Amino acid sequence: GAVVSQHPSWVICKSGTSVKIECRSLDFQATTMFWYRQFPKQSLMLMATSNEGSKATYEQGVEKDKFLINHASLTLSTLTVTSAHPEDSSFYICSARTPGTGGTDTQYFGPGTRLTVL
Amino acid sequence: GQQLNQSPQSMFIQEGEDVSMNCTSSSIFNTWLWYKQDPGEGPVLLIALYKAGELTSNGRLTAQFGITRKDSFLNISASIPSDVGIYFCAGTFGNEKLTFGTGTRLTIIP
Repeated sequence: GAVVSQHPSWVICKSGTSVKIECRSLDFQATTMFWYRQFPKQSLMLMATSNEGSKATYEQGVEKDKFLINHASLTLSTLTVTSAHPEDSSFYICSARTPGTGGTDTQYFGPGTRLTVL
Repeated sequence: GQQLNQSPQSMFIQEGEDVSMNCTSSSIFNTWLWYKQDPGEGPVLLIALYKAGELTSNGRLTAQFGITRKDSFLNISASIPSDVGIYFCAGTFGNEKLTFGTGTRLTIIP
């Protein structure tokens, strides 16, 4: 299957700093990538949809000025958590949608990034 | 956001037993996906279903796309220790975002 990578796999930062997480599709081009957040023992919650060359679409309740998304190329999307606070500590996972014909699109997920804000 | 109803929430089984879990939705989908997530990892795609009534296998795993397009099930036969993890169903309609199930946590009792 398609491979999606994330970097870093984990990060610890001080409160008030900004953290950038990269998501790459390694063997396919993805016009659409997604960013999710997952708290312990919960399902994945979509934060935003990232479209190459255009502004991201954020889900209700997600602050776009706090979670900056840039989809600069067909293989790279970045999520920047600005002025991080302890409540932003979570597991952040990206996914990339593979192009399909006849409604056969599929999403492949990255390995996730564990963010801990002290 | 919206979530799919997935059941059971958790399962405790012995190695070698078969497993069955399902997912239901109040709205129709045209794609159902089943993922497995290990601790500290991202979800890994197990099976993708694109047509109502479709039955697809991947090794010991079998999944079906319900005729009503509002449900799907996943079966695992002859479970082994590496099957332990959380299983998520997800549905989508057209190019819309995925809607995830609440997850089924599978534990194998030694």
